Amino acid sequence: DFVVTQSPDSLAVSLGERATINCKSSQSVLYSSNNKNYLAWYQQKPGQSPKLLIYWASTRDSGVPDRFSGRGSGTDFTLTISSLQAEDVAVYYCQQYYTVPWTFGQGTKVEIK
Amino acid sequence: QVQLQESGPGLVRPSETLSLTCTVSVGSITGYYWSWIRQPPGKGLEWLGYIFYSGDTNYNPSLKSRVTMSVDTPKNQFSLRLSSVTTADTAVYYCVRASGPGTAGYFDYWGQGIPVTVSA
Repeated sequence: DFVVTQSPDSLAVSLGERATINCKSSQSVLYSSNNKNYLAWYQQKPGQSPKLLIYWASTRDSGVPDRFSGRGSGTDFTLTISSLQAEDVAVYYCQQYYTVPWTFGQGTKVEIK
Repeated sequence: QVQLQESGPGLVRPSETLSLTCTVSVGSITGYYWSWIRQPPGKGLEWLGYIFYSGDTNYNPSLKSRVTMSVDTPKNQFSLRLSSVTTADTAVYYCVRASGPGTAGYFDYWGQGIPVTVSA
C-alpha cells in the first residue's frame, strides 16, 4: 500500500502567521499520462465531517479561501495557510488517490499560539 | 449541492454484522463512485471501499472479506455491510462521493457521519 506520512503531527501558529504542513508519499502519485498529482487535502474542524480543500495537489475546491494553497509533485507536498485565522483551527489530512486502497496521512493538528 | 445522509443502528454486538445506508439527495447517484470512510474515536481516516453506480466495487484489503457494498439506484442509496465486527470497528462512519477521472477519487461531498459502537 501507499503510505502517506504527514509532518508535523501538530503545530501552533500565531494569528496572521504562516502555517505549513508537509505530506510525503511512499511512492510517486504523479500520473505521467496527464501530468497530474493524485493528492488531496482536507480540513476537519472539531465535531464536523472533513471538508475538501485542495485536489490535484494544488487546485482549490470551490469556496475555499485563497489563503490555502497546495504545492509539490511526485512524493513531496505541502499545504500552506498564508495567514492563519481563528476559524482555521482544525486537523488537516492529505490523501493519495493514485491507486487503491486510497490512503490518508495521519493528520496534522493546527492550533493558535 | 449534493447531500448525503447515513442511517443505521448506533450499537452493534460483537461478532454481528454492521449495516448502514447512505441516501443521496439533491443530486443523482449515477455516474459517480461512492465510498465509505471511518474514523475511530480520536484517530484518523480509513477508506473502506467504493461502489460505482453500476455496482462495481473495490474494497480495502485491510478489511479482508468482511465488507460488502451495494447500490440501489432507483432509491439513490448505497449501503455498507461489515461482518464479524469487534470493538476495533467502533468508529464514526461517513458516506462520501468520490470525484475524478476513471477510478481516481478525491472526496468532494461527505455525510455528517454516524457513530457506531461495537459493544456487548
